[in-house]
Amino acid sequence: KAGVTQTPRYLIKTRGQQVTLSCSPISGHRSVSWYQQTPGQGLQFLFEYFSETQRNKGNFPGRFSGRQFSNSRSEMNVSTLELGDSALYLCASSLPGHQNTEAFFGQGTRLTVV
Amino acid sequence: AQSVTQLDSQVPVFEEAPVELRCNYSSSVSVYLFWYVQYPNQGLQLLLKYLSGSTLVKGINGFEAEFNKSQTSFHLRKPSVHISDTAEYFCAVKKETSGSRLTFGEGTQLTVNP
Repeated sequence: KAGVTQTPRYLIKTRGQQVTLSCSPISGHRSVSWYQQTPGQGLQFLFEYFSETQRNKGNFPGRFSGRQFSNSRSEMNVSTLELGDSALYLCASSLPGHQNTEAFFGQGTRLTVV
Repeated sequence: AQSVTQLDSQVPVFEEAPVELRCNYSSSVSVYLFWYVQYPNQGLQLLLKYLSGSTLVKGINGFEAEFNKSQTSFHLRKPSVHISDTAEYFCAVKKETSGSRLTFGEGTQLTVNP
């Protein structure tokens, strides 16, 4: 069974540009969550999508957005990049339902903003 | 809101020694508890989880954790560590009714020395 796949693994962008990251969840998983990991702030929740709808949102500016497609694949977009957006972005997928609480993580996309 | 405190940012130990990584949490509602491990340039891998039932939870790679409701703690232990256990460990909580959103602690870097 394939795991969570994130593409690309590494990305270098310039301040002011925008970027799109992709996440393919484990087959059958309909919930996809995104996290930002930085040395200073640790792991912070960005948002969660379930059945193409945003179910939860963290405390990030509107420059951070996401969406989910009918096949459960998800993308997140960051517009007008800032140096502080440099981070490891992790995607996690899980089965729906509160008892199925285990989240499976991808290897992440390392974004560097210069 | 929930919060998680990992009491040690770095824990150095010698190979074959026992180790305990401490985690306290705060929540006004019932939560599920998790420990994840992250190796360099990788995503997060679930070590173990507490959903309900027995307060002693066994996980992969010989790790175990004990849920203590009165002390709101979920400490991770291993009786004998290996060099390969060197990694960063994250404690996380999830509200029973919050979808898949995880709140993480700051992480504990475990370094196993020969």
